[in-house]
Amino acid sequence: QQQVKQSPQSLIVQKGGISIINCAYENTAFDYFPWYQQFPGKGPALLIAIRPDVSEKKEGRFTISFNKSAKQFSLHIMDSQPGDSATYFCAASRNFNKFYFGSGTKLNVKP
Amino acid sequence: KAGVTQTPRYLIKTRGQQVTLSCSPISGHRSVSWYQQTPGQGLQFLFEYFSETQRNKGNFPGRFSGRQFSNSRSEMNVSTLELGDSALYLCASSPLRRDREANYGYTFGSGTRLTVV
Repeated sequence: QQQVKQSPQSLIVQKGGISIINCAYENTAFDYFPWYQQFPGKGPALLIAIRPDVSEKKEGRFTISFNKSAKQFSLHIMDSQPGDSATYFCAASRNFNKFYFGSGTKLNVKP
Repeated sequence: KAGVTQTPRYLIKTRGQQVTLSCSPISGHRSVSWYQQTPGQGLQFLFEYFSETQRNKGNFPGRFSGRQFSNSRSEMNVSTLELGDSALYLCASSPLRRDREANYGYTFGSGTRLTVV
């Protein structure tokens, strides 16, 4: 059973546009929801994370929106840049136990 | 500050062989977790070690095993390799589980790319 479902699988956005990636989870016991960014040949790197008691968290151009009742959360990348082109993974964990990752979204920002 | 170091970066093995991968966590990090990344299954949790003890285990067969040494360095071993074991194996370290949020979660290494032929 897939604990975290992520969409879309791939995304093409023009430079300056908004990139939106969505995730849904099943287990209501999850209490930590990070987003990771991965470039080719590198391991994932933490981008931003949120706890379920907060509906939104913003760090620079990156915003997480969290909907606890719908069991959904999303990553918004404002003013997308070519350097943001990477694969993005959402994840969820309970008490920082093992992380369940989404299947990934390959973002391509066109110049 | 040095990051998480995984060696080797690339490996090619023959079906039926065994392989050992190494992970050196960030200095001071005592927790090491291993993940398998494949195009089809994504990132899947293998196991976590803390203070030389396995704290958690994913749903992988017994051919996958690991250990952690007193200096927090960790190794994982895969015996009787199968073609389906071809993947990027990632190691992630963190200080203590409860510090993962304050210290921005896991820090991943660049992985070991294992190809089984």
